[in-house]
Amino acid sequence: AQSVTQLDSHVSVSEGTPVLLRCNYSSSYSPSLFWYVQHPNKGLQLLLKYTSAATLVKGINGFEAEFKKSETSFHLTKPSAHMSDAAEYFCVVSPYNFNKFYFGSGTKLNVKP
Amino acid sequence: DAGITQSPRYKITETGRQVTLMCHQTWSHSYMFWYRQDLGHGLRLIYYSAAADITDKGEVPDGYVVSRSKTENFPLTLESATRSQTSVYFCASSASGEGNTIYFGEGSWLTVV
Repeated sequence: AQSVTQLDSHVSVSEGTPVLLRCNYSSSYSPSLFWYVQHPNKGLQLLLKYTSAATLVKGINGFEAEFKKSETSFHLTKPSAHMSDAAEYFCVVSPYNFNKFYFGSGTKLNVKP
Repeated sequence: DAGITQSPRYKITETGRQVTLMCHQTWSHSYMFWYRQDLGHGLRLIYYSAAADITDKGEVPDGYVVSRSKTENFPLTLESATRSQTSVYFCASSASGEGNTIYFGEGSWLTVV
């Protein structure tokens, strides 16, 4: 069975401080993992993806995520938050060689000045 | 690079009317998807298609009909719109195979009054 759990529905940080958005997954197969960002009234944009290469994945806008198989986690981080990072973030898992995608419930990131 | 385009972007319709949301992709991706996004429910899969003339139900298919006569188009029809179908609808596509990314359109905001 496949599932994705985003551990925080809301995260609030101050501008310039680190961001941590947590994601745990379960998958019966070796998964591909993704993070997407959704700004208000917009579609979902790919931030980064993991597909069994390097476990530390770098994405756009300074975001990174680390795949930890032993912990079944794929947490998203950024060293220094910017006001423009305020958005909703979705963790997504896709089992190996299946074109099915399982979405987490989303984490809303608020960035305070 | 047109990607995925959805139309209309915004629509208000009356209960009982038929509504069709259009989706067109320019990448020749095999897979196409329709999701709805509602507060408190995240993204839910309505229908998906693995290729032209192949469609299958997702998590919430009732009240919707899809067709896919051409690879690039995947229209979603609400046969008799209900207020519970007020939502934001996202079309998405993905190439087949391991680790392929799902790409989203900008969304169609539908209000049923």
